[in-house]
Formats: sequence, C-alpha cells, structure tokens
Amino acid sequence: GAVVSQHPSRVICKSGTSVKIECRSLDFQATTMFWYRQFPKQSLMLMATSNEGSKATYEQGVEKDKFLINHASLTLSTLTVTSAHPEDSSFYICSAHGTSGGFYNEQFFGPGTRLTVL
Amino acid sequence: QKEVEQNSGPLSVPEGAIASLNCTYSDRGSQSFFWYRQYSGKSPELIMFIYSNGDKEDGRFTAQLNKASQYVSLLIRDSQPSDSATYLCAVNRGDAGKSTFGDGTTLTVKP
Repeated sequence: GAVVSQHPSRVICKSGTSVKIECRSLDFQATTMFWYRQFPKQSLMLMATSNEGSKATYEQGVEKDKFLINHASLTLSTLTVTSAHPEDSSFYICSAHGTSGGFYNEQFFGPGTRLTVL
Repeated sequence: QKEVEQNSGPLSVPEGAIASLNCTYSDRGSQSFFWYRQYSGKSPELIMFIYSNGDKEDGRFTAQLNKASQYVSLLIRDSQPSDSATYLCAVNRGDAGKSTFGDGTTLTVKP
C-alpha cells in the first residue's frame, strides 16, 4: 500500500504559539489530502480537504484562519495551528488520495500527530 | 440520520470465534466501500475495500456488500486478541477521494 508520513509525531507547546504539522506521501503523488482531528474515544472529524495548488475546503465549524492548510506540492501538505490553546490539544491525522496510490478512492492515513498545548 | 451508521459496540467475542461487523449507508450513489482498523492511540489502516455486490475474501477477513440494502459488513474468522480494535466503515461516491466515515465499532477479542 501507499505510504504517508507525518512529522512531528508528538508536539508539546505553550498556549499562544503556532505549530506546523507536515504530511508527506512518500511513494505516490497525492492530488488530494485530508486533515482530521480525533479527541480521545471519539470518532474521526474531517477538518478540511486540500488539493494541490488550490485553497483548502474547510468543513463547517472549522476556523480556516486558525487552521492554515497549504498543499504546495503533490507530495506535501502542511497544517498550521495558529495561536494554539489547550482546547486544540488533540490527535491530528492526515490522509492522502492519489492518482496512483488509490484506484478505488481509498485514503491512506499518516501515523498522526499528537498535539498537547499547555 | 447519519450518512454511515455502525453499531458502536463494544462487541466482544471469544478467541477463535467469528466477529461480524455491520455498516449501513444512506447515499445510494456510493461506489466504493472500505474497512479500516484503528488501534487505540494509532491512526486508521486500510484492511479491506469492496465495490461490487457479493463477498470479497482476504485471509481471515471477508467483506460483504449489498447495494440494494445499502449494507456492508466485515467478517473476521478465527478472531485473535490482536484483532481487538475499533473498525471504521467508510463509503465513497467516487468523486475526488472524499469518503464518509462511520463512528466505528469497538471489537474486543477475549483470550
């Protein structure tokens, strides 16, 4: 299967700082990437869909100015949590769908980034 | 009504038994159907996909699809404690890869 990496795997930051999370497709070109957030014992929540070279599409209720998404290349998307607060502490997971990485529109998930805001 | 519905569980089966996980969906335009496994604290991993009616087998896993009934299931034969996880059902209309996920069913396999 296709491989998606995320960096960092874990980050602890102070309230008010910004955190950038990288998502990379390692062996295929990802035309579309997705960003999810998951709180403990809760289901996946889709935050936004990003397509290479265009603006991300945010789900209802997700603040686009707080969660900045950039998909500048076919292998890299970044999520920046700006002015993070303790309530932003969560497990952030990206997934990718590509022309050669998913023939039936399957999504391949990265390992996730656990964010803790103090 | 949610677009993709799963029993939240927990579903508990003894080791060696067959675990049956069910999923219903509301969008008749759905084309592809996926099962993901998510261990606690980890991200989901794809274990099966199916796109035509009937059964699809891969090792101990069998996915079953009935588009007329808008129903997809996952059977796990000879269940092992290592199968204990949350199983997510996802459906896709075939447009740009965006899938709709169910909330997941938590499976516990007891030794």
